[in-house]
Amino acid sequence: QSVLTQPPSASGTPGQRVTISCSGSSSNIGSHTVNWYQQLPETAPKLLMFSNNQRPSGVPDRFSASKSGTSASLAISGLQSEDEADYYCAVWDDSLDGYVFGAGTKVTIL
Amino acid sequence: QVQLQESGPGLVKPSETLSLNCSIPDDSISGFYWSWVRQPPGKGLEWIGWIYYSGNTDYNSSLKSRVTISLSTSKNHLSLKLKSVTAADTAIYYCARVLVGYNGGQKLFYLDKWGQGTLVTVSS
Repeated sequence: QSVLTQPPSASGTPGQRVTISCSGSSSNIGSHTVNWYQQLPETAPKLLMFSNNQRPSGVPDRFSASKSGTSASLAISGLQSEDEADYYCAVWDDSLDGYVFGAGTKVTIL
Repeated sequence: QVQLQESGPGLVKPSETLSLNCSIPDDSISGFYWSWVRQPPGKGLEWIGWIYYSGNTDYNSSLKSRVTISLSTSKNHLSLKLKSVTAADTAIYYCARVLVGYNGGQKLFYLDKWGQGTLVTVSS
C-alpha cells in the first residue's frame, strides 16, 4: 500500500488528453518536489518529469506536470500509441525518510 | 550517455544472500548518488536505498535490517546485498543514478539514469 495514491488505469483515444493524479500528504508531496516515470512494456522505467514540472531533454512537450498542495498530476496531450505505458509518481517522504513511488497508472490507448 | 548494467545470479535459494553488481562507466561515479530499485513481477516500483560516492548510505526502513549497498570507485561498480531472502524478494532489480538537491526547503531527489534491470528469482 503506497503513501501516494494513483488511479490504477486511464485511457484515451489518439489525439485526446489524459490526466493522471497523484495524491499524497504533507510529509511527501506537500514538502518536496514530485517526479514522474514512464515504463513502457518490458522495459526499465525512464524519468519523464522532475522537480514538479520539468522535462528532461528529449521528452516531448506533450507531457506536462503540476503540483498543488499535497497533490500532483501528469497530463499527456495529443495522445499517441507509443504513450501506452505505466506511469509512476514519486517523491521523497519525511515520515518514512525514504523515496516513495505511487502504485502506478496504466495508460491504454483505445 | 551514462549506461548502467546490472549483473548477478538469476536464481537464489531462500534464506541465502542475493548479491548484484551494477557497472558504471568510468569517471561517472564521483559526485553522484546511486540507488537500487526493485519491481516484483507485475507489480510497482520499490526504492531499496541509496549510496553517495563518499560512502554514506540510506535504506528503505522496511529492508534496512537485511540490505547493504556499497560502491567501488576503483572497480566502477555499485553493489547490492540482500540477506535472508524469501519468495517475496523475487523481483527485477534496477540500479539508477540519483540527482539530489534542494529548492528552498523542498528536496529534489530523482533517478535520471536507469539500468535495464535483472530478474532475480528466489526459489529452492
